[in-house]
Amino acid sequence: ETGVTQSPTHLIKTRGQQVTLRCSSQSGHNTVSWYQQALGQGPQFIFQYYREEENGRGNFPPRFSGLQFPNYSSELNVNALELDDSALYLCASSPGPQETQYFGPGTRLLVL
Amino acid sequence: TQLLEQSPQFLSIQEGENLTVYCNSSSVFSSLQWYRQEPGEGPVLLVTVVTGGEVKKLKRLTFQFGDARKDSSLHITAAQPGDTGLYLCAGESEGSQGNLIFGKGTKLSVKP
Repeated sequence: ETGVTQSPTHLIKTRGQQVTLRCSSQSGHNTVSWYQQALGQGPQFIFQYYREEENGRGNFPPRFSGLQFPNYSSELNVNALELDDSALYLCASSPGPQETQYFGPGTRLLVL
Repeated sequence: TQLLEQSPQFLSIQEGENLTVYCNSSSVFSSLQWYRQEPGEGPVLLVTVVTGGEVKKLKRLTFQFGDARKDSSLHITAAQPGDTGLYLCAGESEGSQGNLIFGKGTKLSVKP
């Protein structure tokens, strides 16, 4: 039990739609990172937020965006969904940008 | 592009056997982490190694970081069915903001 929660657990969308995934970090953790894990693959870094500002981004297009709020919650938004966006989306919170990350259980997104 | 190659990709063994999982890269990492992930859950951190040549033990699990900090191994002694899961290695490079580069994982199945 890492104290990191995510919602919803599962989601089905159709191509072209928009989706918002939510994460609640451990209290006191001011950094949240988001990862995409396709079936049979390891997680891939999407971006990191530190004190409500984007603090690094992986190789993902601008239609992947995020927000971090002062109450230790955060969001991942994906616009114009594509079939390849189907994956497990993981958030991980940490006390700081280069400290140990604690992962949530993930949101399983299916795009039809 | 930094890559972490894990081998083997799949491993099916009998209870009581020993096994080793490898994680290799051509890049140097400032730290390397091993995670275990069960179906429908997020990765759970097992260990972090930061010093070249470092060896850490966690009960029946032994982790080693290569001298050049480019590779790592996980050895499990007398595997048990409870060890079944996906084992992921993840590296953090010098100067990164804490974004982790994951391998594809080794799916371990331990049969009673």
